[in-house]
Amino acid sequence: NAGVTQTPKFRVLKTGQSMTLLCAQDMNHEYMYWYRQDPGMGLRLIHYSVGEGTTAKGEVPDGYNVSRLKKQNFLLGLESAAPSQTSVYFCASSGLAGELLNIQYFGAGTRLSVL
Amino acid sequence: AQSVAQPEDQVNVAEGNPLTVKCTYSVSGNPYLFWYVQYPNRGLQFLLKYITGDNLVKGSYGFEAEFNKSQTSFHLKKPSALVSDSALYFCAVRDDTGFQKLVFGTGTRLLVSP
Repeated sequence: NAGVTQTPKFRVLKTGQSMTLLCAQDMNHEYMYWYRQDPGMGLRLIHYSVGEGTTAKGEVPDGYNVSRLKKQNFLLGLESAAPSQTSVYFCASSGLAGELLNIQYFGAGTRLSVL
Repeated sequence: AQSVAQPEDQVNVAEGNPLTVKCTYSVSGNPYLFWYVQYPNRGLQFLLKYITGDNLVKGSYGFEAEFNKSQTSFHLKKPSALVSDSALYFCAVRDDTGFQKLVFGTGTRLLVSP
């Protein structure tokens, strides 16, 4: 009963390097989200997806790209990492039907440091 | 735009005492409110939600929340705190503009001492 799985768990990058964070969910959820968590700022939505092949910008999308080629996977890319992107990244998913839409299930997070 | 505020960065309580974690909200229509908990090195977990109906909502792990429309508050409560309740708690509101995503507060750290 995996739920939402994020890989990797930790990563250290140098400024300018690129990387992709992978999120996989096994609950057949339509909606998926990427957040970043920074001290004193709570969770901020980066990008989200309402279904396979669709993505949309959230609150803080600059410097990130996403793709959802398969329903169960949601990828977050950093093309040219910057120190300001040092953060903990969380992926989440939620179902489609009615009020269940807003019960989001979270992965364990990816801790990223950009030097 | 919808928003929530958590006025306390940290709440300290002794084990066995009642606890309250505060949340106030600002919405343009009907509020849809949530509480999530984050244990160390884990993702957020859903605790409870208010959509409509009874102002006292019961959730997981013995937590409950009281919805107060006149005070625009949705405080999280537990009658008797456990050391294991120590965690980061987030209040959230559904954003009804466009896609109905959640808007989270900044979080309140709960520390329960033995």
